[in-house]
Amino acid sequence: EVQLVESGGGLVQPGGSLRLSCGASGFTFDSYWMHWVRQTPGMGLVWVSRVKTDGSIALYADSVKGRFTISRDNAKDTLYLQMNSLRAEDTAVYYCARETALTGYYLDLWGRGTLVTVSS
Amino acid sequence: EIVMTQSPATLSVSPGERATLSCRASQSVSSSLAWYQQKPGQAPRLLIYDASARPTGIPARFSGSGSGTEFTLTISSLQSDDFAVYYCQQHNNWPLTFGGGTKVETK
Repeated sequence: EVQLVESGGGLVQPGGSLRLSCGASGFTFDSYWMHWVRQTPGMGLVWVSRVKTDGSIALYADSVKGRFTISRDNAKDTLYLQMNSLRAEDTAVYYCARETALTGYYLDLWGRGTLVTVSS
Repeated sequence: EIVMTQSPATLSVSPGERATLSCRASQSVSSSLAWYQQKPGQAPRLLIYDASARPTGIPARFSGSGSGTEFTLTISSLQSDDFAVYYCQQHNNWPLTFGGGTKVETK
């Protein structure tokens, strides 16, 4: 089955760190750019980060630049998001998503998400 | 950053009726517009890309139109499985940005 499964979410104190993982199955993981997108009740869906097929290029939203690091292990078909210096406003459900193999930057496969709560 | 605005926030529709959802971009995104469906506790699902193209497996009752700054998602005859939240997303400029969503609920 073609799917993405996130894990690693939880409760963390402000200033703390967390690493999210996203396991891919059913498709050739190393052929696709991958993304993280987060969702909060107040802000809706917000794009967070994007990484190239081989991990050599990464893009970030301004709100997380310098604090979050996206990476991937193609041998393990796994995407990661290392989140440092966490703030209350980082509280959200985090989704990993696959970018289309066609032309364009839309996301054709999403995971179910993992909840990150930043609170003391 | 391109701001995407969806309307209405909530749409009350009876099964079998047509639903029309709108999405406006703060500047032109050409035809680089996608629509997603999301049900509670589930992953978003791609419905439409490039404003009007349907991925394999998406029913023909879902159609998209528009270009530039004004876009529409039409569900021709609403089925019970279609009650959900719908988001638009521009994929023309970085950062990718999403609309705030339209919730389609049973009338």
